[in-house]
Amino acid sequence: EVQLVESGGGLVKPGGSLRLSCAASGFTFSSYSMNWVRQAPGKGLEWVSSISSSSSYIYYADSVKGRFTISRDNAKNSLYLQMNSLRAEDTAVYYCARDRPPSMTTLDYWGQGTLVTVSS
Amino acid sequence: QSALTQPASVSGSPGQSITISCTGTSSDVGGYNYVSWYQQHPGKAPKLMIYDVSNRPSGVSNRFSGSKSGNTASLTISGLQAEDEADYYCSSYTSSSTLRVFGGGTKLTVL
Repeated sequence: EVQLVESGGGLVKPGGSLRLSCAASGFTFSSYSMNWVRQAPGKGLEWVSSISSSSSYIYYADSVKGRFTISRDNAKNSLYLQMNSLRAEDTAVYYCARDRPPSMTTLDYWGQGTLVTVSS
Repeated sequence: QSALTQPASVSGSPGQSITISCTGTSSDVGGYNYVSWYQQHPGKAPKLMIYDVSNRPSGVSNRFSGSKSGNTASLTISGLQAEDEADYYCSSYTSSSTLRVFGGGTKLTVL
């Protein structure tokens, strides 16, 4: 069974940093592209970032470019999101999601999410 | 403002059919057959319902179907059931540097 478990969320002050993790199991992690998608309270889904299976290709939404860094450790079956210079508008539930192969076009499994709150 | 445009809400009675539209541009919906649809119940993670415009993942009811015409994709749910009440989001690959975009979401109410 595919499982994606996010962790690392919490309360952080504006300008602060946070690192999210996503532990994957039930599939060959190193063969899949992975993603972060967020959802602000009461709002819709917003794609944040994607990373290919070997980390060769990385993409960011304009809203986080230059502040967030996606990475992965295939030996540890883990995906990460380093978030710096956090703003109030980054407050959201952050989901880890797997891409359905062969291309980075469909998110077929999602974790339950971790809440990030940016507030003074 | 979302890149893809969806109606904020739709409603239908049990047993009826409804259609949710998703309008983009030739750079996303109209240019590629990479439209997907997600269902989200309150407090839950999104679930993939349709991919590549009209394909259903294993385990998704055949009451859910997808189509596309020009720059507009559509999700149709037939034989509405109470458990279909949820938020629905479309998404598309985009040729811009941002890779993928979502619609603003549509709240489906089963009357």
